[in-house]
Amino acid sequence: DVKVTQSSRYLVKRTGEKVFLECVQDMDHENMFWYRQDPGLGLRLIYFSYDVKMKEKGDIPEGYSVSREKKERFSLILESASTNQTSMYLCASSPPIGEQFFGPGTRLTVL
Amino acid sequence: QKEVEQDPGPLSVPEGAIVSLNCTYSNSAFQYFMWYRQYSRKGPELLMYTYSSGNKEDGRFTAQVDKSSKYISLFIRDSQPSDSATYLCAMSVASGSARQLTFGSGTQLTVLP
Repeated sequence: DVKVTQSSRYLVKRTGEKVFLECVQDMDHENMFWYRQDPGLGLRLIYFSYDVKMKEKGDIPEGYSVSREKKERFSLILESASTNQTSMYLCASSPPIGEQFFGPGTRLTVL
Repeated sequence: QKEVEQDPGPLSVPEGAIVSLNCTYSNSAFQYFMWYRQYSRKGPELLMYTYSSGNKEDGRFTAQVDKSSKYISLFIRDSQPSDSATYLCAMSVASGSARQLTFGSGTQLTVLP
């Protein structure tokens, strides 16, 4: 069974804090993705990575950065958290061609 | 205008009903069409996958794609309370080394026992 795990299910941070969201997959997938999910807006792609140390911007990269030092791990970084970054964050992984498998999500609240 | 439009619902039906969920899209380059199911407090999971136009059936679920109308549907026959979830359509233009998905906003479905 493919497993995508995310470091936290729920996270509460203060405005201005640096926030790290971690994602690990155990299927040796090349591609990894970070989305945010907001009511009425669906899933929006923040960044994706198709190889170690490679990354590409998605539709809404502003305010975020990512790191992929190892194939199985993809981190999302909020350099200075703001209240408009309160959201559900979903990580996914996939082979080069095929289905994306999602983690359970991290619900981040920025106060 | 969003690239993918999906009625957010909520949709509430009695057990055993036929459910129809729909999405429209504007990008004629989309070739791959998917339906994801997302239970509360979980990540989405792939339910159905189709390429180009046509129908695909899997048990109680049928996915339909009409590229000429830029319209896709998911039908659920004999709906069950366990089908209660948010259903997300997704589509993509295969490009490069990663197939990026564009999602609809999701339709929340409740099947009442």
